[in-house]
Amino acid sequence: KQEVTQIPAALSVPEGENLVLNCSFTDSAIYNLQWFRQDPGKGLTSLLLIQSSQREQTSGRLNASLDKSSGRSTLYIAASQPGDSATYLCAVTTGGSYIPTFGRGTSLIVHP
Amino acid sequence: DVKVTQSSRYLVKRTGEKVFLECVQDMDHENMFWYRQDPGLGLRLIYFSYDVKMKEKGDIPEGYSVSREKKERFSLILESASTNQTSMYLCASRRQGDGGNTIYFGEGSWLTVV
Repeated sequence: KQEVTQIPAALSVPEGENLVLNCSFTDSAIYNLQWFRQDPGKGLTSLLLIQSSQREQTSGRLNASLDKSSGRSTLYIAASQPGDSATYLCAVTTGGSYIPTFGRGTSLIVHP
Repeated sequence: DVKVTQSSRYLVKRTGEKVFLECVQDMDHENMFWYRQDPGLGLRLIYFSYDVKMKEKGDIPEGYSVSREKKERFSLILESASTNQTSMYLCASRRQGDGGNTIYFGEGSWLTVV
């Protein structure tokens, strides 16, 4: 059964810092990996989707990479801002079931 | 713009009541999901539906049932609500494919069972 781990569980950084969030998974037979953002009390907002054949995806200040062989993905946030404060979750969709498995998220605080 | 709408944002129900949580998507997606999210436990899959009238149990189906009579609507039913079902419930949808499509979530429904 696929297991998804996100480290660290919480992160606090000063504004302007570049930062990396990590997501690891146990079964490399994935179809895709998706990064989400969740604000307190709200639903999940999709940030980036990386197909299994891709190595990375970029959107604005966000860049997500995927290394299937090592079971890892990173979400890079450039020049962080207080508005980036949220919980970031990754979800891995595995072959066969097509059911996404979620990590528990990294809670990010960017302070001015 | 894509939209997944959960009709109730906040509900308070009594123990033993039958509870309906409704989810509607306007993207003609085949796949729909119900999750619950609890602090320290993350998102856990309750039920999912590949298409109309199709449903599969997720990791924690006990105490829940679902209905998918129309493609756009996926309902979660708590047959007899209990206090341990107090949680945030999230609905999601995705276009059918090889699993390679974006998942979209609703805003969530906060359920308190007293």
